[in-house]
Amino acid sequence: KAGVTQTPRYLIKTRGQQVTLSCSPISGHRSVSWYQQTPGQGLQFLFEYFSETQRNKGNFPGRFSGRQFSNSRSEMNVSTLELGDSALYLCASNSGSQNIQYFGAGTRLSVL
Amino acid sequence: DQQVKQNSPSLSVQEGRISILNCDYTNSMFDYFLWYKKYPAEGPTFLISISSIKDKNEDGRFTVFLNKSAKHLSLHIVPSQPGDSAVYFCAASDTGTASKLTFGTGTRLQVTL
Repeated sequence: KAGVTQTPRYLIKTRGQQVTLSCSPISGHRSVSWYQQTPGQGLQFLFEYFSETQRNKGNFPGRFSGRQFSNSRSEMNVSTLELGDSALYLCASNSGSQNIQYFGAGTRLSVL
Repeated sequence: DQQVKQNSPSLSVQEGRISILNCDYTNSMFDYFLWYKKYPAEGPTFLISISSIKDKNEDGRFTVFLNKSAKHLSLHIVPSQPGDSAVYFCAASDTGTASKLTFGTGTRLQVTL
C-alpha cells in the first residue's frame, strides 16, 4: 500500500506570493490533516479535512486554507506569504476514526 | 502554552543499553498518546501508542508507560540500536478531536557504538 504522498518536496517563493501544496492520502483514508514544523514552534496542527469538510482547525491566520476533493486528496494554500511561513509542511492521513496519523515526507517551503 | 513537553532536547545512549525518553503533558483532556520517530528530510513515522485506560503498551523493543496521575509518559527502547538514532516526538490527542495531535518539541536520541 502506498504511503502519504506530498508534492512538491521543495518550493521557493517570495514574500507576497501565494502557494499551493498537494497531498494524496493512503488509499482508503478519508481524513487528511496538515501540520507546520518550524524550529521555533515545533510541529503545529493547521487543520483537518474529512469527507471534503473541514472538521478541525488550529490557531493559524486565515491566510492558511485548505480543501479536500472527493477522492480524499487535499490541497493547502497559503496566500500573501511572509518570511515566517518558511517551514516544513506535513500532511497526515488516517481512516477517520482512529488517533494514529500517518505522515508524508513533507514539503519544504522557503520564503525569500 | 506548551501542553506537551519533552524537557530533554537530546540523549546519548550506548548500543545495547536502554533508552528512556520522557514526556509530560498538562491538558487533562488528553486521552491518547503516541510516539513518533523522525529522520531528517522525512516525515514522522508512527512507533507506538497508548490509550489512557492502560498504563503500559509493548511492541517489540519499544514500551510506552503512562502515569496519568503525574501526567507523564515515557518510551523505553531495549536494546538500543544505532538505527534508532533519530528525533523522537511525543504527541497527544483527545477523543473529541482524535486527528488533532499536539506534539512535544522532540528529543534527539543518539545511539553510539
